[in-house]
This record gives sequence, C-alpha cells and structure tokens, in this order.
Amino acid sequence: QKEVEQNSGPLSVPEGAIASLNCTYSDRGSQSFFWYRQYSGKSPELIMSIYSNGDKEDGRFTAQLNKASQYVSLLIRDSQPSDSATYLCAVNGIWNRDDKIIFGKGTRLHILP
Amino acid sequence: NAGVTQTPKFQVLKTGQSMTLQCAQDMNHNSMYWYRQDPGMGLRLIYYSASEGTTDKGEVPNGYNVSRLNKREFSLRLESAAPSQTSVYFCASSSYNEQFFGPGTRLTVL
Repeated sequence: QKEVEQNSGPLSVPEGAIASLNCTYSDRGSQSFFWYRQYSGKSPELIMSIYSNGDKEDGRFTAQLNKASQYVSLLIRDSQPSDSATYLCAVNGIWNRDDKIIFGKGTRLHILP
Repeated sequence: NAGVTQTPKFQVLKTGQSMTLQCAQDMNHNSMYWYRQDPGMGLRLIYYSASEGTTDKGEVPNGYNVSRLNKREFSLRLESAAPSQTSVYFCASSSYNEQFFGPGTRLTVL
C-alpha cells in the first residue's frame, strides 16, 4: 500500500515568518512530487512540482526533495495571511506518464496576523 | 479557456435516487479522474481514465460508474445513492502528472 504522510496540523506561523511543511512517502520508486494548496470550500490548486533531488524555488515557495530519505517539503517565505490554507502533498511513480497519484491528507496552515 | 468544469455545483438526493455528475476539460488532456473528499479522509480516487475509451477503478469505486464519453468529457454516475456517498466530488485532468481540478460538486444524500 503506497502511502503519503503529512502532519494534519494546524500549523500556526506568524506573518512574515517561514512556514515549513513536510511530507514522507512509502514508495521508494516514486519520481514525481507535487504540492497543492486548497482554500476552504475550494478545489486543490497545483503550486509546485519537483522531480529531482534538491531545491526548486518559485517566488516565495521552495520545494525540497530528498529521495534517499523519502522526504519532500515546502517552504513558504514571508508568510502572508493569504497563505492560510490546507497544503496537500502528492506523489506519483512515473514522471512522464499520467497515472494515479497518491495524495496525503494535508496540513492545515494558519498564518497569524 | 475554462479549464475543468463540473456540473452541478450542489445536489441533494434521497436515498435510492440516481444521478450523473458531469465533467469536461478543454486542455486536451488524455487523463481524467474522479475523486471524493471527506473530512479527515483526504482525496480518494474513485475512477480514472488514462485515455478516451479506457477507465480503471481507483481506491473507492463501489457504488459508482463512469463513462469517458470523448476526450473532453468524463461523467460519474451514482445508480442508487446512499448516505455514505455524501461528499464533495472533484473531477481532474492531467498532463505529465500535473493535475488540474474542477470546482467540485457538493452532494448530500438524505
């Protein structure tokens, strides 16, 4: 059974600080990794994808991947109240073939004004 | 470019009634998916379609059927609704594993 684990939170972070969200996965053969943001009552929105070990930066967001430790994280710098949402980690086996992806249950992030 | 659209947005059914949830995408994606999301359970895959004419069961297919009508459209049918099917249903399409979600259908079965 392939699994993706996340701390459910809530994770409370002061405005302007760095929010760190973590995810572990069980399938060592996984090749594609994603972070989705979901506001309350809305659908998930893809914010980051990462395929190789290391860091990938996009604006205030940085995704970090460590395949040896089966660990992926999302850092949000200069956190804003608008970042308050649930963040879903998702993992897939084959990077260039559309297939089922496994979602974690999400971490609720609350940015304190 | 509307992305992924779903109808209806809200629906209330009585136990035993049937209905079809509609989904369409205009991004020319081959793969499409149906999920349900319940509090504390995360997103669970009901069915997916890797291409036109093919469908496969996901994690929770019981009580549902799907039809991949063409490349754009993927419908989900509840033949005899049960209260356990009360949930929010999301359709998604994907390209290179990056999934794009519709706005969802909030279904209540009484």
